[in-house]
Amino acid sequence: DTEVTQTPKHLVMGMTNKKSLKCEQHMGHRAMYWYKQKAKKPPELMFVYSYEKLSINESVPSRFSPECPNSSLLNLHLHALQPEDSALYLCASSSRTGPPYNEQFFGPGTRLTVL
Amino acid sequence: TQLLEQSPQFLSIQEGENLTVYCNSSSVFSSLQWYRQEPGEGPVLLVTVVTGGEVKKLKRLTFQFGDARKDSSLHITAAQPGDTGLYLCAGLNNFNKFYFGSGTKLNVKP
Repeated sequence: DTEVTQTPKHLVMGMTNKKSLKCEQHMGHRAMYWYKQKAKKPPELMFVYSYEKLSINESVPSRFSPECPNSSLLNLHLHALQPEDSALYLCASSSRTGPPYNEQFFGPGTRLTVL
Repeated sequence: TQLLEQSPQFLSIQEGENLTVYCNSSSVFSSLQWYRQEPGEGPVLLVTVVTGGEVKKLKRLTFQFGDARKDSSLHITAAQPGDTGLYLCAGLNNFNKFYFGSGTKLNVKP
């Protein structure tokens, strides 16, 4: 099973709402990632969890709050977002076996629209 | 600072033509991945190249890693409309961090 799943597929929220994005993988991978992607641009790294601990936060605003409840799940909690936060949010996982053979596998993404 | 530059940024060709996409950097990478992404979907891993000078083939796609492990190329033979998408390279450094290229948007017209 090389699948990373993400829910919901689409999300529309107001600037005062609180919502969460969910990501799940059953490949036994020990590193999980959140990326933000604007149209026609490459993904931008937001957070990295390694062995369920936050290892990288790329200076992301606090209105985005990641959580890793266990090695298979990754959440992104959203609160008081701005319209410019509208984007495709991608989750990825990797085996974290270290370079050079570490590979990322991506989920289908959540299309977020902030009104 | 964009560690990985891809060229061209956009490419529109007719079905049956050949094309090459380049991914260049001044940094050395442990390995390099190529992905294809369709609109509204996540990137799909096509290949990983590890050894300098390595060549991998995936049907009509040929991937090459530069001898110095700073650059890579993707060559598509006889492109088909199904090849349309955003092609992304991603380099993995010795600290296990991934860096994405700027992307190449390919449109193959029937």
